[in-house]
Amino acid sequence: QSALTQPASVSGSPGQSITISCTGTSSDVGSYNLVSWYQQHPGKAPKLMIYEGSKRPSGVSNRFSGSKSGNTASLTISGLQAEDEADYYCCSYAGSSTQVFGGGTKLTVL
Amino acid sequence: EVQLVESGGGLVQPGGSLRLSCAASGFTFSSYWMSWVRQAPGKGLEWVANIKQDGSEKYYVDSVKGRFTISRDNAKNSLYLQMNSLRAEDTAVYYCAREAAAGTWYFDYWGQGTLVTVSS
Repeated sequence: QSALTQPASVSGSPGQSITISCTGTSSDVGSYNLVSWYQQHPGKAPKLMIYEGSKRPSGVSNRFSGSKSGNTASLTISGLQAEDEADYYCCSYAGSSTQVFGGGTKLTVL
Repeated sequence: EVQLVESGGGLVQPGGSLRLSCAASGFTFSSYWMSWVRQAPGKGLEWVANIKQDGSEKYYVDSVKGRFTISRDNAKNSLYLQMNSLRAEDTAVYYCAREAAAGTWYFDYWGQGTLVTVSS
């Protein structure tokens, strides 16, 4: 049950694209297409942005997209906007009905 | 409208106990797996425990096994977390979260959280 590995911080200018990586193992990210991504603004509850690796819930902007290659999942945000500045967390099914989160990435919009 | 409202947090001494509650509304509570997720101050999210729709299966992160117990009362649309032998490292905001559907393993709704502080 080790946390997934995310970069501590990423930044980008408005209009640019950024990608946040989420590296796990063959026991979690690599074995299941069950990675989800959450956005969290300060003092707020997390919000689901991507599920099952690449699916977007209703109401989430199509500027957000997800993908996976091997043991690493990625979240890409295109056309960065000031409102995207937040913490982002990945989460993966880890087998035996358990889940594991990443350490979180702070996105700064310059 | 789906709502999850946690309560029961507070200040407790190391070694003490606390029971968190999560009141659910706006959906058929008995049809969903539910989880507790915590966040230590300034830190990331950590999945703590989950429970099957009928309460017959429960799973925990290693760090709380034997100390925390997740339970639910479907008649009261409520989720609980009994926390015993609390440690300083259990200090966190505790969120209850709904798993979108069985086997999907993602959380589509979250409560606003309740703060647990373990300190002497």
